[in-house]
Amino acid sequence: DGGITQSPKYLFRKEGQNVTLSCEQNLNHDAMYWYRQDPGQGLRLIYYSQIVNDFQKGDIAEGYSVSREKKESFPLTVTSAQKNPTAFYLCASSYTSGATDTQYFGPGTRLTVL
Amino acid sequence: AQSVTQLGSHVSVSEGALVLLRCNYSSSVPPYLFWYVQYPNQGLQLLLKYTTGATLVKGINGFEAEFKKSETSFHLTKPSAHMSDAAEYFCAVTNPTDSWGKFQFGAGTQVVVTP
Repeated sequence: DGGITQSPKYLFRKEGQNVTLSCEQNLNHDAMYWYRQDPGQGLRLIYYSQIVNDFQKGDIAEGYSVSREKKESFPLTVTSAQKNPTAFYLCASSYTSGATDTQYFGPGTRLTVL
Repeated sequence: AQSVTQLGSHVSVSEGALVLLRCNYSSSVPPYLFWYVQYPNQGLQLLLKYTTGATLVKGINGFEAEFKKSETSFHLTKPSAHMSDAAEYFCAVTNPTDSWGKFQFGAGTQVVVTP
């Protein structure tokens, strides 16, 4: 089955640690995205990548970093510079980054900072 | 800049009753419009979308939405609610004139279905 996988489902981090969230897709999509979801705020874009080896900052990129070395993979690192990282993180992909393209979402990773 | 407003952060409906979720947008050009559903601790799933053509769009699970340009709205409806419709619903827009299709999401509406 084609789809998007995210791991781990739950992640706990101590303050001052960097953590990396995995996102893999086998849909052959060019574009991939990372969103952060907080209660009552909808989804906010962290980073996006329109094609392999290229990525751009979204609306709330501070304290996060990404890489796009393979078409299938778009890992997100939450660094210690992110002041309030506890949230639900969603990865998505689309065939292209066109305005009509549906974004398909993974199941999410819930990050909690202890 | 475009924005999306979903009226009502929580909606309670009785099983079998009409589900109506409101979405209004603000945009310099008519946007493309999407409705997504999110079940607890899961990702988002597309219900339906409007890009061009017929303004009444039918989606999965019996949902439909109508694009009304004069009212800048894209409200989501379902004639008869089921218990399985309990979830959070997000309206989203993209701008046809942008260089890439950035999604702007509403804050979401939590739907509770009572027996």
